[in-house]
Amino acid sequence: SQKIEQNSEALNIQEGKTATLTCNYTNYSPAYLQWYRQDPGRGPVFLLLIRENEKEKRKERLKVTFDTTLKQSLFHITASQPADSATYLCALGSGNQFYFGTGTSLTVIP
Amino acid sequence: DTAVSQTPKYLVTQMGNDKSIKCEQNLGHDTMYWYKQDSKKFLKIMFSYNNKELIINETVPNRFSPKSPDKAHLNLHINSLELGDSAVYFCASSHGQGLGEQFFGPGTRLTVL
Repeated sequence: SQKIEQNSEALNIQEGKTATLTCNYTNYSPAYLQWYRQDPGRGPVFLLLIRENEKEKRKERLKVTFDTTLKQSLFHITASQPADSATYLCALGSGNQFYFGTGTSLTVIP
Repeated sequence: DTAVSQTPKYLVTQMGNDKSIKCEQNLGHDTMYWYKQDSKKFLKIMFSYNNKELIINETVPNRFSPKSPDKAHLNLHINSLELGDSAVYFCASSHGQGLGEQFFGPGTRLTVL
């Protein structure tokens, strides 16, 4: 069965630095990948979508890469701020199938 | 206006009881979902409905039965509740299946005693 892993459950970085979160997957060939943000006590909020034929996507301070050879997506937040502290989830999909990763809790330290 | 709403927000009940969680979306989406998020924050899809038709039915005990009276509503009924059912349940909706971003409700925290 498919397996989706995100790097370390928790990641702490200093304000102003770039946060890099990793999403690795096995036994699956997704047609697209999405990243969501989840704050405590709330539902996930969509951030970015990247398709299998795209290498990189950007949105303001966010950047996502998708390497189907390595079976990996990297999610970058540049010039991180304390307000970026949250849990970030990657989600892979193909057709009607859709699976979330384990999530990474990011803390940006002032 | 709330895009995806769920009721109740909290649900505490005894083992063996039957309970329902309601979900409504006012986004005009044709696809709705139910997810379960366990204590380790792992989010797993349970069901997906497109135009009131069941599309995804992951390995979920048949004690869980979704019902979609119309495109804007997807309710989740749970029979004979067990301790392991304790989790946060999220409803979501999207325009079409697959690529469309999903809009999530605020979640329903179910605690089975």
